[in-house]
Amino acid sequence: QKEVEQDPGPLSVPEGAIVSLNCTYSNSAFQYFMWYRQYSRKGPELLMYTYSSGNKEDGRFTAQVDKSSKYISLFIRDSQPSDSATYLCAMRNYGQNFVFGPGTRLSVLP
Amino acid sequence: EAGVAQSPRYKIIEKRQSVAFWCNPISGHATLYWYQQILGQGPKLLIQFQNNGVVDDSQLPKDRFSAERLKGVDSTLKIQPAKLEDSAVYLCASNIGGQETQYFGPGTRLLVL
Repeated sequence: QKEVEQDPGPLSVPEGAIVSLNCTYSNSAFQYFMWYRQYSRKGPELLMYTYSSGNKEDGRFTAQVDKSSKYISLFIRDSQPSDSATYLCAMRNYGQNFVFGPGTRLSVLP
Repeated sequence: EAGVAQSPRYKIIEKRQSVAFWCNPISGHATLYWYQQILGQGPKLLIQFQNNGVVDDSQLPKDRFSAERLKGVDSTLKIQPAKLEDSAVYLCASNIGGQETQYFGPGTRLLVL
């Protein structure tokens, strides 16, 4: 079992849809969770950062962490074609470096 | 503020050749990371520098990969000799140190034939 898993997609949705992107992980010691967006031929850019369990909202984006289930989610409301990218989750334990998931490719169709 | 710069953007070499990548982090960023991203996978950390010292190189294949960060600013990553499985995007990232946010460069896309 890989340490961090994501559905690779591609996930295609119509413009305006609510998108749910998910990661599962095996290491219960992970405490810090991030979501990155990576456009084609670009480096990843940080979208959301959360510590431990709970929800965090930033504009159209909401990150959820459920440590009991070892499951994190990123929700995108009112999705736009500009949201078309690969979404990477990343997580780590205190004092350790981040482990990235393989990414989910999202396509938002106009 | 200028972002993380990397060069070259693309490189094609034959197996057993050597190749070097260059990274210039954001000014003032003490911590620099090199990642390898194979197609369809997430970035995998190869090496982390704090100023010009190595913090973590546990996943660096040291028989063929080397990296240095002279004067604690720019960094180079070298592969010698290259193998087919080294085909990937090599990403450089930096941060101030102690930050969670890493700022990534655009990457160098390497194809080994």
